[in-house]
Amino acid sequence: KAGVTQTPRYLIKTRGQQVTLSCSPISGHRSVSWYQQTPGQGLQFLFEYFSETQRNKGNFPGRFSGRQFSNSRSEMNVSTLELGDSALYLCASSSLGSSYNEQFFGPGTRLTVL
Amino acid sequence: SQQGEEDPQALSIQEGENATMNCSYKTSINNLQWYRQNSGRGLVHLILIRSNEREKHSGRLRVTLDTSKKSSSLLITASRAADTASYFCATAGSIIQGAQKLVFGQGTRLTINP
Repeated sequence: KAGVTQTPRYLIKTRGQQVTLSCSPISGHRSVSWYQQTPGQGLQFLFEYFSETQRNKGNFPGRFSGRQFSNSRSEMNVSTLELGDSALYLCASSSLGSSYNEQFFGPGTRLTVL
Repeated sequence: SQQGEEDPQALSIQEGENATMNCSYKTSINNLQWYRQNSGRGLVHLILIRSNEREKHSGRLRVTLDTSKKSSSLLITASRAADTASYFCATAGSIIQGAQKLVFGQGTRLTINP
């Protein structure tokens, strides 16, 4: 099976812009989670989707949003970008969700906000 | 906020030696997982131990879990240069607690010297 893929791999934006990141889970996986990784805050949970429904959301402002499509692919959007949004954004998929089994992570999207 | 705290933050050993990393957490868990990350890339799942398990092995990896102390340890035996990476523990809570997210520790940076 192909692994989790994320596009784009690298992205440079300026403050105030918006960005959309994409994640394709492993075939058959219905759960997709998003994490933000920064040197200061480490790995932080953004949100999780299962069968097109958001089941859980982390402590991030409303500028961060996401969705999942019927084929389980997921997108996350960040509006009105701030310098502090520069981070590695990781997507993970699993068949049921993190409480039950391992998460398979993609390579991440490195977002730089100038 | 980070639930897991890992100790040490950095560890440097000679190839062939054993490496031990510790993780402490604050709330009750469904399971605890260990992941490896190479140089800002995606995370690779290493091992999952459930709350009713005390020890688990996978190849050169040995994980222990002490729920009374809310702590876990990861032992890598006969280390190799390829083991150089950051290692993260992550906890998954109960469904009531929001089971669909993993809460990561800050990680241990392991360096294996040839």
